Amino acid sequence: DGGITQSPKYLFRKEGQNVTLSCEQNLNHDAMYWYRQDPGQGLRLIYYSQIVNDFQKGDIAEGYSVSREKKESFPLTVTSAQKNPTAFYLCACRYGDTEAFFGQGTRLTVV
Amino acid sequence: AQSVSQHNHHVILSEAASLELGCNYSYGGTVNLFWYVQYPGQHLQLLLKYFSGDPLVKGIKGFEAEFIKSKFSFNLRKPSVQWSDTAEYFCALFLGNFNKFYFGSGTKLNVKP
Repeated sequence: DGGITQSPKYLFRKEGQNVTLSCEQNLNHDAMYWYRQDPGQGLRLIYYSQIVNDFQKGDIAEGYSVSREKKESFPLTVTSAQKNPTAFYLCACRYGDTEAFFGQGTRLTVV
Repeated sequence: AQSVSQHNHHVILSEAASLELGCNYSYGGTVNLFWYVQYPGQHLQLLLKYFSGDPLVKGIKGFEAEFIKSKFSFNLRKPSVQWSDTAEYFCALFLGNFNKFYFGSGTKLNVKP
């Protein structure tokens, strides 16, 4: 089955630690996106990538970093510089003139 | 700046009531518009999309939306809701020039049985 997979589903991080969220897709889509979802704020774009080895900052990139070394993978690192990292993180991919396909999400909690 | 506004943050309806969720966007050019639904504990799923052509778009599960260019709106409708429609609904705008999606803040729909 083709799809987009995020792991882990739940993640706990101590303050001051970096943590990496995984996003893998086998849909052969070029564009991939990371969003943060907070109650009452909808989805806010963190980073996006249109092709391998290229990515752009979204609206709330501070405290986050990404890489796109392979077409199917777009990991997101939440660094210690992110002031309020506790949130639900969604990864999506898209090809051409289609809708975005979303993963199941990762809920990150800072303890 | 481009944006998407959903004015209803929380809607409570009884089963069989009619539904209309508002969505307005701010962009003067060609747009692609979407409605996504997020059922409790599940990922976002596409309800319907508008790219061009007939401004009345029909989606899954009896949902439809109407694109009104003059009003910059893309409201979601369903004639008769069911308890299983309880979910959060997101309106989204895709701009090809920027290759980015812009999402509204979401509307939580609670349908009482």
